[in-house]
Amino acid sequence: AQKITQTQPGMFVQEKEAVTLDCTYDTSDQSYGLFWYKQPSSGEMIFLIYQGSYDEQNATEGRYSLNFQKARKSANLVISASQLGDSAMYFCAMRVMNTGGFKTIFGAGTRLFVKA
Amino acid sequence: DSGVTQTPKHLITATGQRVTLRCSPRSGDLSVYWYQQSLDQGLQFLIQYYNGEERAKGNILERFSAQQFPDLHSELNLSSLELGDSALYFCASSGGSRTGAIGELFFGEGSRLTVL
Repeated sequence: AQKITQTQPGMFVQEKEAVTLDCTYDTSDQSYGLFWYKQPSSGEMIFLIYQGSYDEQNATEGRYSLNFQKARKSANLVISASQLGDSAMYFCAMRVMNTGGFKTIFGAGTRLFVKA
Repeated sequence: DSGVTQTPKHLITATGQRVTLRCSPRSGDLSVYWYQQSLDQGLQFLIQYYNGEERAKGNILERFSAQQFPDLHSELNLSSLELGDSALYFCASSGGSRTGAIGELFFGEGSRLTVL
């Protein structure tokens, strides 16, 4: 079964420090995409970063990087130099082929609190 | 602004009633997805349409139905509403090409449904 698991319901980090949010996935597909989204308290969903299953380099987008370990089926998000505005819910998601198209499934999310 | 428009933003109704949520995807996007997010939970995939055709189905209740019209806007119909249907309903769209693009989802701001 295709599944995304985020085992950290909540995380605290001190401002300016780095934090890692864990994500493991399960799929038998060879081709898939992994995403991280941020949901601030205002509710909108913001795309952060993407990693394709065939990408050999870890994805980076500014202060976000994705630690992709294919053999372990993990796709952890690393946020460097945390800022107060990073306090939000973070969702890991996986896009897989489905009959006739693609389907994106989400994990339960991790709520990140950045302390001043 | 993601380019995805959802209406209404807020809706309060009573148990047993029926509501319709509307979504206009980004210009050029052929795929529309519906997700349900209950309080402090992850996003549950409901259904996907591609160019007017249903392409994938998730945990969508039989009381719920959706369709995508020729102009590509989509509607999610929720009937015989129960208290547990109270949630934030997101619509998302993705690129018209089924291959090549990374396929990130562009989310609307959501429709918050409260069933009393």
